[in-house]
Amino acid sequence: EEHLLESGGGLVQPGGSLRLSCAASGFTFSTYAMDWVRQAPGEGLEWVSGISGGSTSTYYADSVKGRFTISRDNSKNTLYLQMNSLRAEDTAVYYCAKERGNWNSAFQHWGQGTVVTVSS
Amino acid sequence: EIVLTQSPATLSLSPGERATLSCRASQSVSSYLAWYQQKPGQAPRLLIYDTSNRATGIPARFSGSGSGTDFTLTISSLEPEDFAVYYCQQRSDWPLTFGGGTKVEI
Repeated sequence: EEHLLESGGGLVQPGGSLRLSCAASGFTFSTYAMDWVRQAPGEGLEWVSGISGGSTSTYYADSVKGRFTISRDNSKNTLYLQMNSLRAEDTAVYYCAKERGNWNSAFQHWGQGTVVTVSS
Repeated sequence: EIVLTQSPATLSLSPGERATLSCRASQSVSSYLAWYQQKPGQAPRLLIYDTSNRATGIPARFSGSGSGTDFTLTISSLEPEDFAVYYCQQRSDWPLTFGGGTKVEI
């Protein structure tokens, strides 16, 4: 059974940093693209960033470009999101999502999310 | 950025009724449109990908149609577990974008 488990969320001050992790199991991690999608309290879904199976391609939403970095370690079946220069508007539940294929396909499976709160 | 506009924002229906949800794109997304269901406190779940393909395990009462800029998610006969928020999402161009959601309520 496929499983995604996010961790690393928490309370951080504006301007601070956090590193989110997503541990994957139940599938061949390296053959699937992965993404981060966030949801602010009471709001809709916002795609944040995506990475191809072999890490050759990455994309970011304009709202996080230059501040967030997506990466993956296929030997550890783990996806990461390094978040720097955090702002109040980055407060959200962050979901990792497995795509249907190696790159640019629908989000087939989602983790349960980790909460990031940016506040002083 | 491709903007996806979902309508209506809220759909009030009864179990057994047919639900028709709309998603309109600001420019053509070809057939690269997906639909997700989200219940309170849960992660989203993929229902439909590439306009009309049901994801694994999704009941046949869910169907998708459309092309270009206009898309529809149809739930043929609402079950109690179908009352939720539904989002469309395009993968035609970066940044990937979601619609604002349609809440299907009893």
